[in-house]
Amino acid sequence: GAGVSQSPSNKVTEKGKDVELRCDPISGHTALYWYRQSLGQGLEFLIYFQGNSAPDKSGLPSDRFSAERTGGSVSTLTIQRTQQEDSAVYLCASSLARYSYEQYFGPGTRLTVT
Amino acid sequence: DQQVKQNSPSLSVQEGRISILNCDYTNSMFDYFLWYKKYPAEGPTFLISISSIKDKNEDGRFTVFLNKSAKHLSLHIVPSQPGDSAVYFCAASAMGGNKLVFGAGTILRVKS
Repeated sequence: GAGVSQSPSNKVTEKGKDVELRCDPISGHTALYWYRQSLGQGLEFLIYFQGNSAPDKSGLPSDRFSAERTGGSVSTLTIQRTQQEDSAVYLCASSLARYSYEQYFGPGTRLTVT
Repeated sequence: DQQVKQNSPSLSVQEGRISILNCDYTNSMFDYFLWYKKYPAEGPTFLISISSIKDKNEDGRFTVFLNKSAKHLSLHIVPSQPGDSAVYFCAASAMGGNKLVFGAGTILRVKS
């Protein structure tokens, strides 16, 4: 079956521009997560969705970052006024149930801010 | 403050031998631990997990050991195969929590 998909796979943008990253979770998965991995670092939690609501946004690094999820499916992570420190791989994951620890990851979007 | 630490950035093992990857954690609220494997240009894939009520979980060539008193877990791969060459991430979650806290990863190279 189809796994988690993300688009674009690569994005190069100029400092100060806005970017949108998209995630399509596995069909039927109610929980969706965004993480990012900076060079040489582990995965850093950003935000968690249960359905369309985001009960945990604690990992969003600043108010330039926002995310939404519609129809209990697709999610978009938006970064406004990008900075060079935003350069990272942004990973989306989904899981079947609210407290399912086993999360299925997409291939990620590599964001480079020049 | 790194709550999950993988102190070995890389490990090189001969094919057929045992690979041991280590992970330490600091948060005593963690009650579930997972190992993920990641190939280049792919997302991490779930490998094996263990609940804090157990001290060992085995799945084929992969075994995870948990030492709660030492706040330490390890992943054993035996026998190691060249296809096991990847980055291995240790992750932990607290009871009722949703997010996973990841270590920085260990690059495993299995030489044939």
